[in-house]
Amino acid sequence: DADVTQTPRNRITKTGKRIMLECSQTKGHDRMYWYRQDPGLGLRLIYYSFDVKDINKGEISDGYSVSRQAQAKFSLSLESAIPNQTALYFCATSDQGGSRSYNEQFFGPGTRLTVL
Amino acid sequence: AQKVTQAQTEISVVEKEDVTLDCVYETRDTTYYLFWYKQPPSGELVFLIRRNSFDEQNEISGRYSWNFQKSTSSFNFTITASQVVDSAVYFCALSYAGGTSYGKLTFGQGTILTVHP
Repeated sequence: DADVTQTPRNRITKTGKRIMLECSQTKGHDRMYWYRQDPGLGLRLIYYSFDVKDINKGEISDGYSVSRQAQAKFSLSLESAIPNQTALYFCATSDQGGSRSYNEQFFGPGTRLTVL
Repeated sequence: AQKVTQAQTEISVVEKEDVTLDCVYETRDTTYYLFWYKQPPSGELVFLIRRNSFDEQNEISGRYSWNFQKSTSSFNFTITASQVVDSAVYFCALSYAGGTSYGKLTFGQGTILTVHP
């Protein structure tokens, strides 16, 4: 089973709808991240969470909100979706150090979101 | 602020050619990590390498090699004897190693590599 899972994998929705993208991980990591990928722009950080009670805005948080329901779950919401939020969304996790994977981020498979 | 620039938007080569993907970064931090990720057509992100800012040794892994030069703030990636399966988007990324920005990745724009048979 994958260590970082995202649901749904694909979603088509209409302008103005509320959408939630979910991320779950079995790696036991405290740190979780949401990125969006647009062609020619690479991945940009939307929100990140260093533990259940610590949530921070990233580079492009406007129009998004997040919820860290548990150590293993980190959800991204679009309260009122708009077409320029059409993108590929990635969730990622990382540990806090003291291991060989220190500072490496592990990515989910991505969610392709289309807003019409 | 940190920034990563991958000047090559797209590269096209013929199989067995060597190809180098450039990555230049900007940071005021003295301790940081550099990464390369591969994104094949299936869309997932595949981790290739992590390099600590204190370790300037070049690294080779099979047909892949990385050249880290702190003096020019570059972390270039070379594929030797390219193969069709190397066709993908490649991302260079930078992360702080401490403080409140710890762990967050700043990505370059990506380089689309196409290897023709």
